[in-house]
Amino acid sequence: EIVLTQSPATLSLSPGERATLSCRASQSVSSYLAWYQLKPGQAPRLLIYDASNRATGIPARFSGSGSGTDFTLTISSLEPEDFAVYYCQHRTNWPAFGQGTRLEIK
Amino acid sequence: QLQLQESGPGLVKASETLSLTCTVSGGSISSSSYYWGWIRQPPGKGLEWVGSIYHAGSTWYTPSLKRRATISVDTSKNQLSLKLSSVTAADTAVYYCAIVDSNNWFDPWGQGTLVTVSS
Repeated sequence: EIVLTQSPATLSLSPGERATLSCRASQSVSSYLAWYQLKPGQAPRLLIYDASNRATGIPARFSGSGSGTDFTLTISSLEPEDFAVYYCQHRTNWPAFGQGTRLEIK
Repeated sequence: QLQLQESGPGLVKASETLSLTCTVSGGSISSSSYYWGWIRQPPGKGLEWVGSIYHAGSTWYTPSLKRRATISVDTSKNQLSLKLSSVTAADTAVYYCAIVDSNNWFDPWGQGTLVTVSS
C-alpha cells in the first residue's frame, strides 16, 4: 500500500502570497499524481493531474511539479477563493488520497 | 456538461445496508466515454476511495470495503448506485460520486451527501 503524506497540515497565508503544498509518497508513483480542492458544501474540483497538467478551466496560478515520491502544488498568488482544503491522490495499485492540507487566511 | 447529484437516506441504522444513488444529467451513464466512482470523507478526516465501475460492469473496490460494497449502474434511470452492507459508525461520512477517467482521476464530482450511521 502506497501512503501519501501531505505537509503542512495547515498553512496560514494572506491573499497575494505564494502557497507551496507538499505531497510525499511512501514509494514511487512515477508522475501519476493529482491534486484536488475541497470547499464546504461544494463539489470537489480536480486541479492538477499527471503531476503537472492543469485540468480544464483551472487558473494558471495553480501549478504542479514533481515525480517519483515528492510532489508540490504551488499557488503563485493567492486569491480569496483559494482558501480551502487540498488533497493529493495517486492511482498506483488503487486510488488513494493524502490526509489533506488546510489553506487558511492569516 | 455532465452533472452529478447524490441522494439517499441521511440516517442508517448500524448493521443495516446503506444505499445511495447518483443521478447523472447532461449525458448518458451508459456512454463508453465514462467510468464512475464513489469516494467518501468521514467527519474530520480525509478522502477515501470506495470503488469504481468500468465498461461491461467490471468493478474495483478499496480492499477494506471489498466484501461489503457493491457498485452498479441503472441505465434506464441514468443512475449510479452504491450499496454498503453491515454498516457501523465508522461508515458515517459524506459520500461523493464522480466520473473516473481512463487514468483513474476523478472529475467532475457531485456535491456529496452525508450519511450518519446510528446505533
